[in-house]
Amino acid sequence: EPEVTQTPSHQVTQMGQEVILRCVPISNHLYFYWYRQILGQKVEFLVSFYNNEISEKSEIFDDQFSVERPDGSNFTLKIRSTKLEDSAMYFCARGPSGQETQYFGPGTRLLVL
Amino acid sequence: QKEVEQNSGPLSVPEGAIASLNCTYSDRGSQSFFWYRQYSGKSPELIMSIYSNGDKEDGRFTAQLNKASQYVSLLIRDSQPSDSATYLCAVNPSGSARQLTFGSGTQLTVLP
Repeated sequence: EPEVTQTPSHQVTQMGQEVILRCVPISNHLYFYWYRQILGQKVEFLVSFYNNEISEKSEIFDDQFSVERPDGSNFTLKIRSTKLEDSAMYFCARGPSGQETQYFGPGTRLLVL
Repeated sequence: QKEVEQNSGPLSVPEGAIASLNCTYSDRGSQSFFWYRQYSGKSPELIMSIYSNGDKEDGRFTAQLNKASQYVSLLIRDSQPSDSATYLCAVNPSGSARQLTFGSGTQLTVLP
């Protein structure tokens, strides 16, 4: 199964800055997800996005985070006013319609200084 | 809190042996279960999904599910050094549309 692509692969930012992480689906799936993995810790669900709307979100996904699909193709995760603890790998995943399987992209490594 | 538990390992097996990875989950209503493989610094890669009690085989991999015991396992036959990775168990908990709850993973090393 082809994956989504994610940009950038690495991002370094200063605390308090805004970052936008991008996910570009290769195939036309309706379900998209964002997860994060802090170094040495579990993969954690952030948000799911279906048919251009948020379907579910976790407690982690607070007002600091937002998602959108601005051009009907790219799928973005915005983190406003980043904190040190936002440093993590951020994975975009896609899911085929009618299936619960999720396929992960290569991830963006975010480092907040 | 809906938990997914795995032995962190490390688990070491010799090349050609069977590796057995275990996972328990707390949410009895969970219906969907997944095994992912994650190489260091890389993203999770889906190996198998399982939804019904019993065994599901795909090549060298067999997933086993026992909902009564809230237990899911992954067997890797004829283990190869390239199988050395962290194996993540993921569960779609009840009351959730599609989010996955992951375990902390079991680190497997296959010794040549």
